[in-house]
Formats: sequence, C-alpha cells, structure tokens
Amino acid sequence: NAGVTQTPKFQVLKTGQSMTLQCAQDMNHNSMYWYRQDPGMGLRLIYYSASEGTTDKGEVPNGYNVSRLNKREFSLRLESAAPSQTSVYFCASRVQGAFTEAFFGQGTRLTVV
Amino acid sequence: DQQVKQNSPSLSVQEGRISILNCDYTNSMFDYFLWYKKYPAEGPTFLISISSIKDKNEDGRFTVFLNKSAKHLSLHIVPSQPGDSAVYFCAASGDNNNDMRFGAGTRLTVKP
Repeated sequence: NAGVTQTPKFQVLKTGQSMTLQCAQDMNHNSMYWYRQDPGMGLRLIYYSASEGTTDKGEVPNGYNVSRLNKREFSLRLESAAPSQTSVYFCASRVQGAFTEAFFGQGTRLTVV
Repeated sequence: DQQVKQNSPSLSVQEGRISILNCDYTNSMFDYFLWYKKYPAEGPTFLISISSIKDKNEDGRFTVFLNKSAKHLSLHIVPSQPGDSAVYFCAASGDNNNDMRFGAGTRLTVKP
C-alpha cells in the first residue's frame, strides 16, 4: 500500500529552469494538496484540489501552477524557478470534507541555484 | 497572514514528564483541528484530532484540548518518551472550504 508517492525526491535547478513535481495517491481520496516547508514558516499551502476537476489557490501560489490530471494525480509546476522557491515540497491527500486527516508523501527537496 | 500559530519554536522535557504543546488560531470558521508529528526527511504523520463540538480527545498518551472561546488548543503527551522527539504541527480545517492550514511547528526534545 503505497499511499502518497512523490517524485522526484531531490532536485537541483538553475534559476529560470522549469520543472514539474509529480504526486500520486492510491487511497481513492478526492482532495489533494501541495505544501512547502521552510524553516520557521511551517507548512504553507500552495494550491489544493478539493475534487477532480477543481483547483484553488492557497497561501503562497505565486510562481506555481497545478494540474489535477485525474483523481489519483496532482502535479505542481514551476515555470521559471527562483532561489526563493528552494524548499521541501509535500503533497497530501484526504477524503473530501473537513473532518478527515490528510496523508502526506515523503517530500521533494528542491534547490534552486 | 498566518491563521494558525505555534509561538514556541522548541520545547525540551525530561523523559517521563508531561509535554504541553500549544496552538492558537484566528479564523473562527475552523471547526476541525489536527496534530501531526514529523521526523527529519519524512512526511508529516497524523497523530490526533478534535472537532469543535468537543473540548477534549484522548488517545493513549496523547490528549488534545480545545478552548473555542480562546481559539486555543493544546497537545499533552504523558508520559513523554525519547521517541516522541520530533517536530509537531498543529493544523486546522473548516467545513465551508476544503483547505487545511498549518502552524510553524514546535520541535520537541525529550531527554532520557
């Protein structure tokens, strides 16, 4: 039972390069999330998808785009990476609705030089 | 504007004693609160939760208390064990939307 799988686990980008972080879950969850974790800032919500076909901005969406490809997959794209996007990115999923817990992937450590 | 706040970046306690981690929130629309535990190089894992209709929820050594009027919740760990050493995140969610907001985290160190 894989749960939430993120790829890649590590990535180094040059400023201005683009890349897509992939996330897939096998728990038949409706809602999926992307967070970034920075020292002293905790987990900040970038984008989320309440259900297949919908996406919404979170706290820090600038510089990112997302695609809810199907129920299983939710990708995060950096079109032109900046050093300020150096962070650890986490994908999460949960059953739709407020009264449920989210399950997290192992994270992607991204460094932009 | 951070809607969920954990004002203590770190906490150190002796093994066997109680650990109390605090969390405050500003959005009165939140009605479900969660605590997550995170080890280095791993994703956060769910620990315990509480809905706004309750003021206490207990699971083994872990108890969460909610004070809605003060917009405050706390996590009590009794007795604390060295394996509890981790970063603890408080999170909140509301029924009128589907996002989930987290605090900055508190690093707990339990000394043997």
